[in-house]
Amino acid sequence: DAGVTQSPTHLIKTRGQQVTLRCSPISGHKSVSWYQQVLGQGPQFIFQYYEKEERGRGNFPDRFSARQFPNYSSELNVNALLLGDSALYLCASSPEGGARNTIYFGEGSWLTVV
Amino acid sequence: GDSVTQMEGPVTLSEEAFLTINCTYTATGYPSLFWYVQYPGEGLQLLLKATKADDKGSNKGFEATYRKETTSFHLEKGSVQVSDSAVYFCALSDTGRRALTFGSGTRLQVQP
Repeated sequence: DAGVTQSPTHLIKTRGQQVTLRCSPISGHKSVSWYQQVLGQGPQFIFQYYEKEERGRGNFPDRFSARQFPNYSSELNVNALLLGDSALYLCASSPEGGARNTIYFGEGSWLTVV
Repeated sequence: GDSVTQMEGPVTLSEEAFLTINCTYTATGYPSLFWYVQYPGEGLQLLLKATKADDKGSNKGFEATYRKETTSFHLEKGSVQVSDSAVYFCALSDTGRRALTFGSGTRLQVQP
C-alpha cells in the first residue's frame, strides 16, 4: 500500500509569493496533519484536519491555511512568503483524529524562499 | 504547555557500542510517547511507541520504557550499526490534543 505522498518534493519561491503544497494520506486514513520542520529543529504542528474539518491549529500566522477534500487529500497554502518560511513541510495521516493514534509521515516538501 | 527535552547531539559511537538517548517530557494528563527516526533526506518514520506508564516500546533492537515517575522515555539499543546513523526525535501526544509535540532531535553518528 502507498504511504503518505506529498508534492512537490522541492521548490524554490521568492519572498512575497504564495505556495501550495499537496498531500495524499494513506488509503483509509481520514485525518491529515501538517508540520513545519526548520533545519536542525523538531517538527512544529501547523494544522490537523479530520473529516474535512479543522480540528487543531498550531501557533502559526494567518498566512498559513489548509483544507481537506472529500477524498481526504489536503493542501497547505502559505501566502506572502518570508525567508523564515524556508523549511521541510511534512504531511502526516492517521486513521482517526484522536491523539493516541499512530501518525504516519510523508517524506515532505522542501521549500526554499529566496 | 507540553514540552519534550532531548539530549543534545551529535552522539558519536563506534559500531556495536551501547546507545542511550535521553528524553524527558512535561505534559498534563497521560500522554502517549513516541520515538521517530529521520534518515538523511527523508521524512519521519515511527520507531516505537508507548501509551501508558511502564509500557515498553521496542522495534529493530531499540527499546524505550515509559517512566511516569521520572517523566522520561529514554531510547536504548544494545549494539548499534552504521545503518542506525540518523536523527532521532522523541515526541508526545497528550490526551486533549490532536498533535505531536517533538523534541529538537538528537543526531547519531555510528562509525565503522
